[in-house]
Amino acid sequence: GAVVSQHPSRVICKSGTSVKIECRSLDFQATTMFWYRQFPKQSLMLMATSNEGSKATYEQGVEKDKFLINHASLTLSTLTVTSAHPEDSSFYICSAQEGVTNEKLFFGSGTQLSVL
Amino acid sequence: QKEVEQDPGPLSVPEGAIVSLNCTYSNSAFQYFMWYRQYSRKGPELLMYTYSSGNKEDGRFTAQVDKSSKYISLFIRDSQPSDSATYLCAMASNDYKLSFGAGTTVTVRA
Repeated sequence: GAVVSQHPSRVICKSGTSVKIECRSLDFQATTMFWYRQFPKQSLMLMATSNEGSKATYEQGVEKDKFLINHASLTLSTLTVTSAHPEDSSFYICSAQEGVTNEKLFFGSGTQLSVL
Repeated sequence: QKEVEQDPGPLSVPEGAIVSLNCTYSNSAFQYFMWYRQYSRKGPELLMYTYSSGNKEDGRFTAQVDKSSKYISLFIRDSQPSDSATYLCAMASNDYKLSFGAGTTVTVRA
């Protein structure tokens, strides 16, 4: 199946710093990418939907100034956690959609963010 | 009430047993139903995808959808230790945004 590469897999940072996470579709063009957050033993919560060349659409309760999303090309989306705090510590997962059906939705391997 | 309800388990079965997983949902607009497998600290991997009521079989996996009862199931036959993982149900309406269940942690004992 298609491959979505997500980097870094793990990051530890100090409170107040910003962290950038990259999500790349390696062998297909993704018109839409999604960013999720997952707490231990909980489900994936959709944070935002990004379409190439346009502003991301954020879910209710997600601070767009806190979680900056850039989808500059059909193969790359980035999530920047600005001024990270310990409560931002979580597992972040991206997914990329090839085509128009959910069957062609592929997930990255996730990024574990720990803010000290 | 959550849109998608899934018993988090954990569920422990002996090797060779049938694993039975299920989810219920409240949003009648859901049309697409998926089951994902997620290993610890990894992204989900699609196992089954359906969009109609009834059964769909793929190897050892069978997905069932009952739209009238808003209930979906996943069965794993002849379970193997390598099937040990967290299984997530997910659903979507026409906007293609997925709503996930909490995930059920399954352990298959050798």
